[in-house]
Amino acid sequence: DGGITQSPKYLFRKEGQNVTLSCEQNLNHDAMYWYRQDPGQGLRLIYYSQIVNDFQKGDIAEGYSVSREKKESFPLTVTSAQKNPTAFYLCASSMVKGGNSPLHFGNGTRLTVT
Amino acid sequence: QQPVQSPQAVILREGEDAVINCSSSKALYSVHWYRQKHGEAPVFLMILLKGGEQKGHEKISASFNEKKQQSSLYLTASQLSYSGTYFCGTVSYGNEKLTFGTGTRLTIIP
Repeated sequence: DGGITQSPKYLFRKEGQNVTLSCEQNLNHDAMYWYRQDPGQGLRLIYYSQIVNDFQKGDIAEGYSVSREKKESFPLTVTSAQKNPTAFYLCASSMVKGGNSPLHFGNGTRLTVT
Repeated sequence: QQPVQSPQAVILREGEDAVINCSSSKALYSVHWYRQKHGEAPVFLMILLKGGEQKGHEKISASFNEKKQQSSLYLTASQLSYSGTYFCGTVSYGNEKLTFGTGTRLTIIP
């Protein structure tokens, strides 16, 4: 079955540590996205990538970094510079960039930093 | 800028109808609708691409008024399975990012 796999489902880290969230898709989609979800705030875009080796900042990119070395993979690193990293992180992909194509989401990673 | 959704929350009895609205301050290219159940990933419902377009998905349909920069999601004869949080996402002209609203929590009670 095609889909998006995020791992792990739950992640716990100490403050000051960088942590990398995994996102893999086998849908052969060009575009991939990272969203952050906090209670009552909907989904906010962190980074997105429309093609391998290229990515753009979203609305809340500060304290995060990404890479897109392979079409199927788009890992997100939450750095120690992110002031409030505890959140639910969702990875998504779409067939093409822009507004024509639906987003397919992974099941998310819930990150807790203490 | 995030689109504005209304209402923020609604409680319905099974079989009742609901309307969820989504409005933007920008000229819209497309509107997406998604439903998310607690602790799960959002699931795509539909995309509306043209002004005035309407689409249907089972007993869930939507309209897109390009001139008013608004979209509405209609849920008729609601079922228990319709419970969840509904998000609209908008793409404005010249900006390829999909920006989500803050969501509308729908609770269906028997």
